[in-house]
Amino acid sequence: EVQLVESGGGLVQPGGSLRLSCAASGFTFSSYWMSWVRQAPGKGLEWVANIKQDGSEKYYVDSVKGRFTISRDNAKNSLYLQMNSLRAEDTAVYYCARKNIVISSFDYWGQGTLVTVSS
Amino acid sequence: AIQMTQSPSSLSASVGDRVTITCRASQGIRNDLGWYQQKPGKAPKLLIYAASSLQSGVPSRFSGSGSGTDFTLTISSLQPEDFATYYCLQDYNYPLTFGPGTKVDIK
Repeated sequence: EVQLVESGGGLVQPGGSLRLSCAASGFTFSSYWMSWVRQAPGKGLEWVANIKQDGSEKYYVDSVKGRFTISRDNAKNSLYLQMNSLRAEDTAVYYCARKNIVISSFDYWGQGTLVTVSS
Repeated sequence: AIQMTQSPSSLSASVGDRVTITCRASQGIRNDLGWYQQKPGKAPKLLIYAASSLQSGVPSRFSGSGSGTDFTLTISSLQPEDFATYYCLQDYNYPLTFGPGTKVDIK
């Protein structure tokens, strides 16, 4: 059974940093692109970042470029999102998702982890 | 960036109704579009990929159509478990962009 479990969310002050993790199981992690998608409270979904199987390609939404870094450790079946210079508008539930390029869609999602940026 | 719009933003329907949601892209995206269902407090769930292909395990009352800029999600006979918010997502180029969502609630 495919499982994605996020962790690392919490309350952080504006300008602070946080590192999210996503533990993957039930599939060959190193064979898939992976992604982060976020959802601000009461708002819609926003794609944040993608990373290729070997980490050689990474893509970001403009609003996080230069502040967030997506990475992965295939030996640990884990995906990460390092978030620096956090702003109030980064407050959201962050979902880890598996990107299935065969069907060009996010076919599995984690349960999400809440990040709150507030003083 | 490609802008995705959805209509309506919300609708009220009854069990058994046929429901149609439209998604429009600001430029052509071939058929690189998916539809996702999200219930309150839950992660999104993939329903349709490549505009018209039904994801494994999704009931056949869900269908998708369209290509280029205009796409449709249809629920042929609305069931109680279908009350949710529906999002389209273009996967044609970066940044990937979601539509703003369509909330389907009970009439």
